[in-house]
Amino acid sequence: QKEVEQDPGPLSVPEGAIVSLNCTYSNSAFQYFMWYRQYSRKGPELLMYTYSSGNKEDGRFTAQVDKSSKYISLFIRDSQPSDSATYLCAMRYREYGNKLVFGAGTILRVKS
Amino acid sequence: DGGITQSPKYLFRKEGQNVTLSCEQNLNHDAMYWYRQDPGQGLRLIYYSQIVNDFQKGDIAEGYSVSREKKESFPLTVTSAQKNPTAFYLCASSSHGLNQPQHFGDGTRLSIL
Repeated sequence: QKEVEQDPGPLSVPEGAIVSLNCTYSNSAFQYFMWYRQYSRKGPELLMYTYSSGNKEDGRFTAQVDKSSKYISLFIRDSQPSDSATYLCAMRYREYGNKLVFGAGTILRVKS
Repeated sequence: DGGITQSPKYLFRKEGQNVTLSCEQNLNHDAMYWYRQDPGQGLRLIYYSQIVNDFQKGDIAEGYSVSREKKESFPLTVTSAQKNPTAFYLCASSSHGLNQPQHFGDGTRLSIL
């Protein structure tokens, strides 16, 4: 079993839709959670970074963490064609420096 | 402006050949990382370095080597011992401290001739 599970998609939605992207994890030692966006042939770009249960909002993006269920989500409101990319979740143990464990990534396509 | 520069963008390797991927950062970050990305898989850590002249193996270090002689530079050598080197290689860096996020370069795609 992988430490971090993420549905690879692709997920196809119409422009303006609310998108929900999700990751589950098996190890309760993960304490820090990130979402990265990766465009084709580019490096990942950090979108959201959180370490507590609950919601964190930044513009059209909301990151949600539920440590009791070992589940994290990224919501994108009013999705745009420019949001079409691969979204990677990543998480880190508190005790092991800055080593990240990544999900496989979800491909998102927003149709205009 | 500050960032992480990886070169070249595309690289081809012949059988039995070693190749070196360059990673340079001007963010004054202490820590640097190398990841490998394969289709349908998450990023996997190859090597990381938290300080000059020191580095540690990640999860898939076999067939790779690194050096960290300067704070700004963290080159990765893919040796002939790496039997399946075709992948997208990503370099990242972060400031010192547990809460600092990693920032990535735009990668090098390595293929076998």
